[in-house]
Amino acid sequence: DTAVSQTPKYLVTQMGNDKSIKCEQNLGHDTMYWYKQDSKKFLKIMFSYNNKELIINETVPNRFSPKSPDKAHLNLHINSLELGDSAVYFCASSSYRGRRDEQFFGPGTRLTVL
Amino acid sequence: KQEVTQIPAALSVPEGENLVLNCSFTDSAIYNLQWFRQDPGKGLTSLLLIQSSQREQTSGRLNASLDKSSGRSTLYIAASQPGDSATYLCAVASEKLVFGKGTKLTVNP
Repeated sequence: DTAVSQTPKYLVTQMGNDKSIKCEQNLGHDTMYWYKQDSKKFLKIMFSYNNKELIINETVPNRFSPKSPDKAHLNLHINSLELGDSAVYFCASSSYRGRRDEQFFGPGTRLTVL
Repeated sequence: KQEVTQIPAALSVPEGENLVLNCSFTDSAIYNLQWFRQDPGKGLTSLLLIQSSQREQTSGRLNASLDKSSGRSTLYIAASQPGDSATYLCAVASEKLVFGKGTKLTVNP
């Protein structure tokens, strides 16, 4: 059973489009995250949700909007896609408020904007 | 602002060697430190988690140490194998998880 799953695995789209990436975890965790890994492989946090409440919002353009319908899901919607949005996006989850507990990562979604 | 540095950026060793990967961080006020492995085109696999109160953790051929006061951690891999080839990422947790840029390890048969 996959602990943290993401769909789709690959996403190729044109500039200006709107797209969503879905994430689900079956670990019973209460905290979920979105990370972005750029072309230089540097991994950086974008958002964090705890019990459906936004607790971390890094300096991410407001074209990116996370949505957490319940504790097990955290989706990422991106409006008006730009070339610079091309990256691999990882979802992760942890228990507690993510401070003391191990984070588990999904397989990633490779987004390519043409 | 927390910064995490990993040295070396890349490492190539013959099979069977013992090796050490280094991680340093600028702010010692951390909750824990986590070592991950990333294979090309794949996600992150958690290897070891060291809480701030701990000095080391071991899992099989892997041993990670933490010296919080000096802002350093090492990942020791014993008797390396070609299957250990991957990028190893160090991440420190305070209010958020901050990653280093990784060490790309190649173990040659």
